[in-house]
Amino acid sequence: QVQLQESGPGLVKPSETLSLTCAVSGYSISSYYYWGWIRQPPGKGLEWIGTIYHGDSTYYSPSLKSRVTFSVDTSKNQFSLKLTSVTAADTAVYYCARVGQQYQLRFFDYWGQGTLVTVSS
Amino acid sequence: EIVMTQSPATLSVSPGERATLSCRASQSVSSNLAWYQQKPGQAPRLLIYGASTRATGIPARFSGSGSGTEFTLTISSLQSEDFAVYCCQQYNNWPPAFGQGTKVEIK
Repeated sequence: QVQLQESGPGLVKPSETLSLTCAVSGYSISSYYYWGWIRQPPGKGLEWIGTIYHGDSTYYSPSLKSRVTFSVDTSKNQFSLKLTSVTAADTAVYYCARVGQQYQLRFFDYWGQGTLVTVSS
Repeated sequence: EIVMTQSPATLSVSPGERATLSCRASQSVSSNLAWYQQKPGQAPRLLIYGASTRATGIPARFSGSGSGTEFTLTISSLQSEDFAVYCCQQYNNWPPAFGQGTKVEIK
């Protein structure tokens, strides 16, 4: 059974960098699937942040592309998100997820529980 | 970018009744549409992909239909555990996009 778990600070100051990690168990992230980050601001819908594959292919949301960076650590079977210059608008529950069907643009079949990140001074 | 619009925002249904939820895409997404269920404090759960294929372990009372720009999720007989928020997602074009969700509440 594939399991994902997000971790990182729950509080980030405005203008600083938000950093989150997604630990994957039950499947090797070096194998054939893509992995993604999605966020959900309080009371709003889901927003795709981006998708990564083995660290050599990344796809970012056009609205976040200038501030977001993904990375993969295959030795720890985890992948990470960095979002720079955060504002209150970046306050959200952040989810990591697996992209289904071994293709970069598909649905998300396994999700982490999500972690709330609040941007506030 | 494709915009996904769901209606209604809230649907009040009695247990045992049928619920019909709609999702509209601003341009054709073929059959590249998924539905998720989300409960408070929980991760989204994949219900349907390919517009009509149930994901592993999803009960048969959940069904999806449609193609192009108009899609429907039907829950044939609502169970207590089905009261939740449902959202759709297109994956035909970059960037993938989600609808705002329909809350199914107890009438």
